[in-house]
Amino acid sequence: DARVTQTPRDKVTEMGQEVTMRCQPILGHNTVFWYRQTMMQGLELLAYFRNRAPLDDSGMPKDRFSAEMPDATLATLKIQPSEPRDSAVYFCASGTGTARKAFFGQGTRLTVV
Amino acid sequence: GENVEQHPSTLSVQEGDSAVIKCTYSDSASNYFPWYKQELGKRPQLIIDIRSNVGEKKDQRIAVTLNKTAKHFSLHITETQPEDSAVYFCAASSNDYKLSFGAGTTVTVRA
Repeated sequence: DARVTQTPRDKVTEMGQEVTMRCQPILGHNTVFWYRQTMMQGLELLAYFRNRAPLDDSGMPKDRFSAEMPDATLATLKIQPSEPRDSAVYFCASGTGTARKAFFGQGTRLTVV
Repeated sequence: GENVEQHPSTLSVQEGDSAVIKCTYSDSASNYFPWYKQELGKRPQLIIDIRSNVGEKKDQRIAVTLNKTAKHFSLHITETQPEDSAVYFCAASSNDYKLSFGAGTTVTVRA
């Protein structure tokens, strides 16, 4: 049963530190999404890629967040410097262009103290 | 951009009754509408989806309807069971593949 894999599962860090979250999409999927989930804002789209090219990162605070896909098997989301308001669960999802179905990873629970 | 509104935000039903969640979307170009179920502490999981060339789709106790003219779609769960208790999200997407989510509905099935 193919799944999207995210690491780490949990991360506690101090304000000002750099945080890197990683995502391994399902093999063969060419669309990758990064979402942030909080109680107040629900599922916010931060960025998404198609065939490794960024299509939209308008949901991301550009001054501190960056998203990349170094290759087809790895997507990264980096926060530098981190702030307490970044505390949330960050989900990666992948899908195929044809089927349109998107599947979520287990998420990374980030706590910035 | 696409704006998806979802109602109600919470829904409590007696076991065995039906539950209905409604969503509206703003972008007439949207043509793909998935529904996700998220249990506490877990990932959102795709439970059913519908494309704009279809008006209704059913999978066992779950059905989704789409009204393109009115730009709204709904999730129907029949014969609800305690394991149906979760947060349900609707979403919409057009040919740009961008998936925009509603705010979620917390469904509680009372035994």
